[in-house]
Order: sequence, then C-alpha cells, then structure tokens
Amino acid sequence: KAGVTQTPRYLIKTRGQQVTLSCSPISGHRSVSWYQQTPGQGLQFLFEYFSETQRNKGNFPGRFSGRQFSNSRSEMNVSTLELGDSALYLCASSWQGYEQYFGPGTRLTVT
Amino acid sequence: GENVEQHPSTLSVQEGDSAVIKCTYSDSASNYFPWYKQELGKRPQLIIDIRSNVGEKKDQRIAVTLNKTAKHFSLHITETQPEDSAVYFCAVRPFGNEKLTFGTGTRLTIIP
Repeated sequence: KAGVTQTPRYLIKTRGQQVTLSCSPISGHRSVSWYQQTPGQGLQFLFEYFSETQRNKGNFPGRFSGRQFSNSRSEMNVSTLELGDSALYLCASSWQGYEQYFGPGTRLTVT
Repeated sequence: GENVEQHPSTLSVQEGDSAVIKCTYSDSASNYFPWYKQELGKRPQLIIDIRSNVGEKKDQRIAVTLNKTAKHFSLHITETQPEDSAVYFCAVRPFGNEKLTFGTGTRLTIIP
C-alpha cells in the first residue's frame, strides 16, 4: 500500500495570509489526525477527522480548521498566519483504534 | 489533560551498548503506548507499540515495557548501531480516542 502523502512539502507565506495543506491517508484508513511540530513545543495534536466528522480537537485557536472528504482525504487551513505558525505540519492516518502512520509533513514558513 | 514526561532529553551510547528511554504519563485511561523514531528531516516512524493488557513486547533489538500501576513505560534498544541515532518520541492514547499525546523526545546518539 502507498503511504500517507502530504502536499505541498514546503510552503512560504507572509503574515496575514492563509494556507491550505492536504493529506491523503493510506488506502482504507478513515481516521486522519493532524499534528504541529516545532522545536519549542514538540508534537502537538491539532484535530482528528473520521468519516468527514471532526471527533477531537486540540488546544489551538480557531484560525486552525480542517475538513475531511468522502474519500478520507483531509485538508487543514490556517487563516491570518502569524510568525509563530511556522512549523512542520504532520498528518497521520489510522484504521480506527490501531496504529497511526505519519506522512512526510508540510514545512510551513511564515515571514 | 494528559501529561507525558520523557527522560532523558539526550542520550549518548557506545555502539553495541544498550539504551533505555523512559516515559511517565498522568491519565490512567491511557491504554495505547507507541514509540516513534524520527530521523533528521524525516517523518516520525512507528517502531514499536504496546497496549495496556500487555506488560512487555519485543521486536528483535527493540523492546517496550509497561507498568500501568506506576504509569510509566520504557523503550529498550540493545546492541545499538549507528543507524539507531535519531530522536525518539513516546506517546500515549486513551481508549476510544485517536489523539496521541507525545513526550518531548530523546535525542539518541550512537558513538562508533
């Protein structure tokens, strides 16, 4: 099976802009979770989608949102970008209740 | 919410020796404990995991032990090799929830 894929791999944006990141899970996996990784805060959970519904949400402001499509692909959106949003954004997919496998991530730089 | 502490933050080990990384957690509802290895510039890779109904699990040179009473679990790597150099993260997940709470990571360096 193909692994989790994420696009784009790298992104440079300026403060105030918005960005959309995409994640395609492993075939058959219906759960997609998003994480933010930074040197200072480590790996932090953003949210999780299952069957197009957000089931869990982490402690991030409302500027961070996401959605999932009927084919389980997921997108996350960050509006009004801030310098502190610079991070590696990782998605992970799983077959409910089992192991989570990560994609390669999208490195977002906000200038 | 769940709190996961991971120690040590850095660990240097002579090639061929063993390495042990320990994590403690706070939520007794946690029942799934994976370990991820992340090499520089790469994605976290699941290397081993354990569920709360098991005390120990082994996969070749890697083992994980779980003490639910004390709320801690450990990663053991034996006969370390240079390719084991990476950052290792522990994580916990409660039953019925996909949210992983990660430890702060351990940078393991294998000295040839």
